[in-house]
Amino acid sequence: DAGVIQSPRHEVTEMGQEVTLRCKPISGHNSLFWYRQTMMRGLELLIYFNNNVPIDDSGMPEDRFSAKMPNASFSTLKIQPSEPRDSAVYFCASSSSGSPLHFGNGTRLTVT
Amino acid sequence: GENVEQHPSTLSVQEGDSAVIKCTYSDSASNYFPWYKQELGKGPQLIIDIRSNVGEKKDQRIAVTLNKTAKHFSLHITETQPEDSAVYFCAANGDSSYKLIFGSGTRLLVRP
Repeated sequence: DAGVIQSPRHEVTEMGQEVTLRCKPISGHNSLFWYRQTMMRGLELLIYFNNNVPIDDSGMPEDRFSAKMPNASFSTLKIQPSEPRDSAVYFCASSSSGSPLHFGNGTRLTVT
Repeated sequence: GENVEQHPSTLSVQEGDSAVIKCTYSDSASNYFPWYKQELGKGPQLIIDIRSNVGEKKDQRIAVTLNKTAKHFSLHITETQPEDSAVYFCAANGDSSYKLIFGSGTRLLVRP
């Protein structure tokens, strides 16, 4: 199994630009999570999808953040417009009922 | 909501010695406690987990203990090796079936 695949691995953009992060979960997993990791706040859950439906988006920091899951094998996290304080590592993770959480290798976002 | 505290933040041990990382949680509803290892440039990877109906679980050189009364759980690594050097995170699920609250992490350095 290829595991959770995220792209790009690194993204550098200027403040005000739109950023789209992509995730392919493990085949057969029906739950997908987006996490953000920073030194100050650690690992924070942004949004949780189950069977492609957003169940909990209480961690999404602002309306500038949005996430979609159009099908079972693909999800995006979009930031528009981006700000320097959005700089972080964004992780996608997936699981299925009764299985542990599997993380991708993350996207390191730098907003200048 | 759930709050997870983790200590120490950094730990340096000599190769072959044991390492112990401790976490406390606040929500008595928590019943799932995973531990993740994160290497540089990678996502967190599950190394061991324990559920609240078990007091201890062991997997080769790694063991986890849980004290529900005191609301704390610990990771024990014996016979440490340089490749054990990484950041370790504990987590608890609170009253959620899907949401993990992570500790702040412990950077473990194993000196050869």
